[in-house]
Amino acid sequence: GAGVSQTPSNKVTEKGKYVELRCDPISGHTALYWYRQSLGQGPEFLIYFQGTGAADDSGLPNDRFFAVRPEGSVSTLKIQRTERGDSAVYLCASSLTGLGGETQYFGPGTRLLVL
Amino acid sequence: AQSVAQPEDQVNVAEGNPLTVKCTYSVSGNPYLFWYVQYPNRGLQFLLKYITGDNLVKGSYGFEAEFNKSQTSFHLKKPSALVSDSALYFCAVRDRNTGKLIFGQGTTLQVKP
Repeated sequence: GAGVSQTPSNKVTEKGKYVELRCDPISGHTALYWYRQSLGQGPEFLIYFQGTGAADDSGLPNDRFFAVRPEGSVSTLKIQRTERGDSAVYLCASSLTGLGGETQYFGPGTRLLVL
Repeated sequence: AQSVAQPEDQVNVAEGNPLTVKCTYSVSGNPYLFWYVQYPNRGLQFLLKYITGDNLVKGSYGFEAEFNKSQTSFHLKKPSALVSDSALYFCAVRDRNTGKLIFGQGTTLQVKP
């Protein structure tokens, strides 16, 4: 079946602009995760949704970052007043229930470049 | 705090030789451990995981990993490397409270013909 999809695959923006990154999880998966991967680093956790609610947003770096999942499926990561340091690959993952040792399945990522 | 360490930035092996990519972890309680592989400009692909039970876990593409509780390690292994195994490998531990994955820094595997 279809895996996790993310759009756009690449996004170039100017410093100070607003961007939205979209994640479409595997159908039926209630748990959704956002991670950020900087060059040469492992992915770092941003936020975790269980259904429509953010169960853990402790990884969001500051209040410029916000994410929603209004219908418990598609999620949007929103970044306001982008800064050059926000440049990274943003990865989305989903799992069936978010419980136990479930596997998280990752999308291809959105590569964000802030000029 | 929970953490994962991959002590080698890069591992070089010849095709046909066995390979090992090292991972150690620090968690309280019993860990859930994962290995993922990342090819250039691609997302992370799941290889295998340890939840409980047999310490030797078998996964995709002939990879396996051995969970060693006393050494807090979860090394990734393959008996015979292929050039196509060349990629970036990540070890991760799952936070039992929140479900988030905590990743190591990654190890680049280079398999030469």
